[in-house]
Amino acid sequence: DGGITQSPKYLFRKEGQNVTLSCEQNLNHDAMYWYRQDPGQGLRLIYYSQIVNDFQKGDIAEGYSVSREKKESFPLTVTSAQKNPTAFYLCASSSTGQESPLHFGNGTRLTVT
Amino acid sequence: QKEVEQNSGPLSVPEGAIASLNCTYSDRGSQSFFWYRQYSGKSPELIMFIYSNGDKEDGRFTAQLNKASQYVSLLIRDSQPSDSATYLCAVNVPLGNTPLVFGKGTRLSVIA
Repeated sequence: DGGITQSPKYLFRKEGQNVTLSCEQNLNHDAMYWYRQDPGQGLRLIYYSQIVNDFQKGDIAEGYSVSREKKESFPLTVTSAQKNPTAFYLCASSSTGQESPLHFGNGTRLTVT
Repeated sequence: QKEVEQNSGPLSVPEGAIASLNCTYSDRGSQSFFWYRQYSGKSPELIMFIYSNGDKEDGRFTAQLNKASQYVSLLIRDSQPSDSATYLCAVNVPLGNTPLVFGKGTRLSVIA
């Protein structure tokens, strides 16, 4: 079955440590996205990539980094520079084109103490 | 700044009633409109999309689009407690390959 796989589902880290969240898709989508969602809040865009080896900052990119070395993969690193990293992180992908919806993975819940 | 506005709710409706969720958007050039359902602690799932003015029906769901007034709505007929969730409206940005703009969502509670 085609889909988007995020791992792990839950992640715990100590403050000051970098952590990398995995996102893999087998939908053959060109575009991939990372969102952050805090309790009771909407989705906030962190980074997105329309093509391999290229990506753009979203609304809240500070303290995060990404890479897009393969079409299928778009890992997100939460660095120690991110002030409030505890959140629910969602990866999504889509075809390019104005009529293309986003398809979401199941999310990773990150807790930093 | 492209904006998509939704009433945060909660919107409470009795079981069996029609739930009406509304969304307004700022960019008159937007062409594609999507509704996502998000259960608590889960990821959003696409339930409807609409590209043309008018109504689009899929089972108990109807999406309505009025481009002149810049609003899109989602009607849920015969609401069930299992419909209780947050509903997110998403709208495309017509210039370039930029991501969909999401509203903050409306929380729906269907009371048995």
